[in-house]
Amino acid sequence: IAGITQAPTSQILAAGRRMTLRCTQDMRHNAMYWYRQDLGLGLRLIHYSNTAGTTGKGEVPDGYSVSRANTDDFPLTLASAVPSQTSVYFCASSDSGQGNGNSPLHFGNGTRLTVT
Amino acid sequence: RKEVEQDPGPFNVPEGATVAFNCTYSNSASQSFFWYRQDCRKEPKLLMSVYSSGNEDGRFTAQLNRASQYISLLIRDSKLSDSATYLCVVNVVHFGNEKLTFGTGTRLTIIP
Repeated sequence: IAGITQAPTSQILAAGRRMTLRCTQDMRHNAMYWYRQDLGLGLRLIHYSNTAGTTGKGEVPDGYSVSRANTDDFPLTLASAVPSQTSVYFCASSDSGQGNGNSPLHFGNGTRLTVT
Repeated sequence: RKEVEQDPGPFNVPEGATVAFNCTYSNSASQSFFWYRQDCRKEPKLLMSVYSSGNEDGRFTAQLNRASQYISLLIRDSKLSDSATYLCVVNVVHFGNEKLTFGTGTRLTIIP
């Protein structure tokens, strides 16, 4: 079934540890995104990639890095996790970059991360 | 003022009733508008795009009011399965760069 796969589904992580959240899509979408969702704040964009080989910063990029070596994969890395990074993380993709009215977002089923 | 603003609710509505909620946006250059639905502990899923002329999909009607800068979602003959959080999404344009911005969501509960 075509879609976006995120892993892990959930994780408890000690502060200071490094963690990579995985995201893979098989829809051949050009653009991919990482969001975090926190109660009362909605979804906030962390990083995005409009096409393989390029990345950009979103609204809340500090403490996170991404890479886009190919079309399908867009991993998100927390180099040294802090408790404020406790959140639900959603990966998403779209056929083209943000702002195209014909290209809504398709989301993965999320990763619940708790940093202790 | 927030770029995209929604009444968080909750809206508690009896089954079969009609319910409507709005979402206001601050960027007059916005061109793309969507409604997403998010069930508890699940990912957001596209409910419908919002077109300038308004559009309908079954029991759901979405409308855009550019003059007052808001979009609306109307649900007729509400079902228990309509209980969810509804997210408004707007593309916000800053200095030629566009990004999709999410509202915090409106929580809807349909009561039997």
